[in-house]
Amino acid sequence: DAGVIQSPRHEVTEMGQEVTLRCKPISGHNSLFWYRQTMMRGLELLIYFNNNVPIDDSGMPEDRFSAKMPNASFSTLKIQPSEPRDSAVYFCASSLRASNTEAFFGQGTRLTVV
Amino acid sequence: GESVGLHLPTLSVQEGDNSIINCAYSNSASDYFIWYKQESGKGPQFIIDIRSNMDKRQGQRVTVLLNKTVKHLSLQIAATQPGDSAVYFCAESPANDMRFGAGTRLTVKP
Repeated sequence: DAGVIQSPRHEVTEMGQEVTLRCKPISGHNSLFWYRQTMMRGLELLIYFNNNVPIDDSGMPEDRFSAKMPNASFSTLKIQPSEPRDSAVYFCASSLRASNTEAFFGQGTRLTVV
Repeated sequence: GESVGLHLPTLSVQEGDNSIINCAYSNSASDYFIWYKQESGKGPQFIIDIRSNMDKRQGQRVTVLLNKTVKHLSLQIAATQPGDSAVYFCAESPANDMRFGAGTRLTVKP
């Protein structure tokens, strides 16, 4: 398996624009996580899905952030409108099941909002 | 709220020495713990895990110790090598999610 695949690897956008980050989890994994990493706040869990259903989105910073998982092989994280403070590296991770198994991370999307 | 934290933000060791990275957790409901290694420009990579019914687990050159009494987790790396230089995160899983600590940067001096 190619692992967790995220796209794009880098995204530069202007403030106010919509940004969509994409993730393809490892085939057969039932849980998917979205994290945001910054120097100030470290790795923050934004939302996670179990069997394509959002379980906990309490980490989503604002209503400008939304995430979907229409099927077991694809998820998106959308920011609309984007702001400079959203600049960060966004990671997607998947695991075989929700609890007591390690999560495998993608390479991340580095987002810069100017 | 409860959170995972690290005692030391940076650690510098001599090549060949053993390294110990510490982590404190506060959620007593956590029953699964993982150590991740993150190299520059990459996503976190799984190193070793431990469940709450254990207090020690060994891997290749790495050992994780869990002390539930004081809610403390440590990662020991034997014979540290330059390739071990990275940021190390502990993560706890109290339920179905996974929360990370702040991270410790390990630098290995030749």
